[in-house]
Amino acid sequence: EPEVTQTPSHQVTQMGQEVILRCVPISNHLYFYWYRQILGQKVEFLVSFYNNEISEKSEIFDDQFSVERPDGSNFTLKIRSTKLEDSAMYFCASSELGTGAGDTEAFFGQGTRLTVV
Amino acid sequence: GEDVEQSLFLSVREGDSSVINCTYTDSSSTYLYWYKQEPGAGLQLLTYIFSNMDMKQDQRLTVLLNKKDKHLSLRIADTQTGDSAIYFCAEREAGGGNKLTFGTGTQLKVEL
Repeated sequence: EPEVTQTPSHQVTQMGQEVILRCVPISNHLYFYWYRQILGQKVEFLVSFYNNEISEKSEIFDDQFSVERPDGSNFTLKIRSTKLEDSAMYFCASSELGTGAGDTEAFFGQGTRLTVV
Repeated sequence: GEDVEQSLFLSVREGDSSVINCTYTDSSSTYLYWYKQEPGAGLQLLTYIFSNMDMKQDQRLTVLLNKKDKHLSLRIADTQTGDSAIYFCAEREAGGGNKLTFGTGTQLKVEL
């Protein structure tokens, strides 16, 4: 069964360092997403991406964040200068259509746990 | 803004029914979803319901939607130990594009 894969599963980084979280969406999917979950809090939407551009982003997704689809298979989330409060589980997801079409499932990866020290 | 709330924990005995509850604030929600997360795994879509429906049944899963009270529930019949996981409620608002708003998740523990 096709799945979304994320690497690494756990990343530890020092405050102020840049970090890149990687995702391989399902191959025929067109929409890509990043969500995050700070420990004990809700899963929060960060950004959606379609046709090589950001289609929607949340208030969390400020200038420190960027996304890229550098080739035909990877989808990355970059945090330029990490802060302690960026520590969270980051989930990548992809869907064939936008989740605006309600019966389209968004498939999620297993997450990358980012720890900023 | 929209908000989704769930209780954090639920413990049931194997074979009993589990009911996981969720409340949301956005009256314009169009689709409501239940996701399951097993340890070390991603979020798996279990089921969803369109806002003009009251109930949806899929094998052991029954989703009930009370749109007036903005209350969503997931009932798992004959709960098994393999159902132990975190269950997330999520909603998509009308005109909300591709964004899902999630609750904190309910940790379901199934005891023998």
